[in-house]
Amino acid sequence: GAGVSQSPRYKVAKRGQDVALRCDPISGHVSLFWYQQALGQGPEFLTYFQNEAQLDKSGLPSDRFFAERPEGSVSTLKIQRTQQEDSAVYLCASSHETQYFGPGTRLLVL
Amino acid sequence: AQSVTQLDSQVPVFEEAPVELRCNYSSSVSVYLFWYVQYPNQGLQLLLKYLSGSTLVKGINGFEAEFNKSQTSFHLRKPSVHISDTAEYFCAVSEGSARQLTFGSGTQLTVLP
Repeated sequence: GAGVSQSPRYKVAKRGQDVALRCDPISGHVSLFWYQQALGQGPEFLTYFQNEAQLDKSGLPSDRFFAERPEGSVSTLKIQRTQQEDSAVYLCASSHETQYFGPGTRLLVL
Repeated sequence: AQSVTQLDSQVPVFEEAPVELRCNYSSSVSVYLFWYVQYPNQGLQLLLKYLSGSTLVKGINGFEAEFNKSQTSFHLRKPSVHISDTAEYFCAVSEGSARQLTFGSGTQLTVLP
């Protein structure tokens, strides 16, 4: 079956621009996670949804980061007023028991 | 709080040689342990996981790992590597099946011809 998909795969933004990153989880997976992976590092947790409820957002680095999953399926991670330090790969994972990852969105802020 | 330490950032090895990628973790509670592989410009693919039961876990592509509670380790092994195993390998820990993963910083495995 289809895995986790993310779009866009690559995004170049000018500093100060807002961006929106989309995640389509595996059908039927209740849990959805967002991670940020800086160059040469392991992924770091950003936020977690169970259905449409955002149960943990402790990893979001600032109030410029916002995530939603309004119908309990597709999720969007929004970054407002992007900064250069936001440049990273953003990974989405959906889970029934084990987390399955999408290919990621590589964000470059110039 | 939990943490994961991958002791080697880069491991070069010749084709058909054995390899061990080391992983140590710290946690105050029982944990689930995972190894993921990441090929260039791709997401993470699950190699294997330890949830409970037998401490020797077999995964895909001929990899296996052994959970050692006393040493808080979960080292990944393969008896004979192939060129296609060249990738970044991440060890991760979580406190439950619906809980966030905490990753190590990764080990770049490079298989040389």
